[in-house]
Amino acid sequence: GAGVSQSPSNKVTEKGKDVELRCDPISGHTALYWYRQSLGQGLEFLIYFQGNSAPDKSGLPSDRFSAERTGGSVSTLTIQRTQQEDSAVYLCASSSRGAGGFTDTQYFGPGTRLTVL
Amino acid sequence: DAKTTQPNSMESNEEEPVHLPCNHSTISGTDYIHWYRQLPSQGPEYVIHGLTSNVNNRMASLAIAEDRKSSTLILHRATLRDAAVYYCILRGPYNQAGTALIFGKGTTLSVSS
Repeated sequence: GAGVSQSPSNKVTEKGKDVELRCDPISGHTALYWYRQSLGQGLEFLIYFQGNSAPDKSGLPSDRFSAERTGGSVSTLTIQRTQQEDSAVYLCASSSRGAGGFTDTQYFGPGTRLTVL
Repeated sequence: DAKTTQPNSMESNEEEPVHLPCNHSTISGTDYIHWYRQLPSQGPEYVIHGLTSNVNNRMASLAIAEDRKSSTLILHRATLRDAAVYYCILRGPYNQAGTALIFGKGTTLSVSS
């Protein structure tokens, strides 16, 4: 079946511009996560959605970052007034928290490489 | 989530078994041990996870020490495609706390032909 897809695969923008990154999770997955990976750095958690619950925004680095998930499916990560330090690969993952389970497997998309000039 | 310690890098030859160690001396009784790997220019992919007993799947085996303070990911026959960064991650049950995966630096595995 189809995996997690992300678009665009690459995005080059100028400092100060806003960008939107899209994630299409695996159909039926209730949990959706955003991470980012800067050059030479590990993966850093940004935000998490689970069903209709309020999102866990504890990983967002600043108020320039926001995300929404419409209809419990597609998610958009928005970065306003981009800075050069925002340059990174932004990864989306989804998972299905099955009834009775206590841990989940996350399925990652290929990522969006953002370059801020 | 408790911290894990992995070697920065390891090398292997094709067709040979690979044992990737992970120390997690502060693991709690409810922490699961997850392994993910990240191939070059790709997002991470799930490999295996376990709680107390050893686990096998089509990709690998996970050997968990009796005291759970360490574990070993075993690739039975390494291929060139197995060259990746391997992450050992502890994760509490999601009905208690913690949702995101906390990635460390992982082990970079090189495989030679």
